[in-house]
Amino acid sequence: RKEVEQDPGPFNVPEGATVAFNCTYSNSASQSFFWYRQDCRKEPKLLMSVYSSGNEDGRFTAQLNRASQYISLLIRDSKLSDSATYLCVVSANTNAGKSTFGDGTTLTVKP
Amino acid sequence: DAGVIQSPRHEVTEMGQEVTLRCKPISGHNSLFWYRQTMMRGLELLIYFNNNVPIDDSGMPEDRFSAKMPNASFSTLKIQPSEPRDSAVYFCASSGRPTSGGASYNEQFFGPGTRLTVL
Repeated sequence: RKEVEQDPGPFNVPEGATVAFNCTYSNSASQSFFWYRQDCRKEPKLLMSVYSSGNEDGRFTAQLNRASQYISLLIRDSKLSDSATYLCVVSANTNAGKSTFGDGTTLTVKP
Repeated sequence: DAGVIQSPRHEVTEMGQEVTLRCKPISGHNSLFWYRQTMMRGLELLIYFNNNVPIDDSGMPEDRFSAKMPNASFSTLKIQPSEPRDSAVYFCASSGRPTSGGASYNEQFFGPGTRLTVL
């Protein structure tokens, strides 16, 4: 079993749709959680951190369920520019140690 | 800050040749990571350094791969001899003290990558 598992997709949705991505992790000692975005032929970039209380950034909402070891990302009112691969990232410490990246979920938003 | 800098951006070489990839992390960051990404295997961590010391090299595929970090502002990943199956995008990333924008210690900033093709 992989340490971080994501539904690979692809997700193909029309503009304006709401789409949700899920991620599960196996290490119960994990401390830090993130969603990264990677555009085609580019490097991964941080989209948002994920906090226990849940957090929102505009159209994006991230949630963490420690009991179920589950992270989610919700995108509302999707735009063409949201088309990318979304990577779930988990770290077992909080001091610049290594993180484990999921394989990513590919989203294509169509007009 | 210029961000993480990698060179070269593209490298095409023949099987058996030595390849050296270079990385300059963000100033002030104390952790540096080397990743390899392919369609088949996704993003794989090869090795990471903390304060210039290799901490975990369990992802280095075999003895043909070696990495060094002689100082806080420079690291190399070397493949000798290279093989066609080494063809991939190699990313360097760094992390460390959060910026004033509130990023956490664990936010990794990636360089643009080196696209390696071994013929």
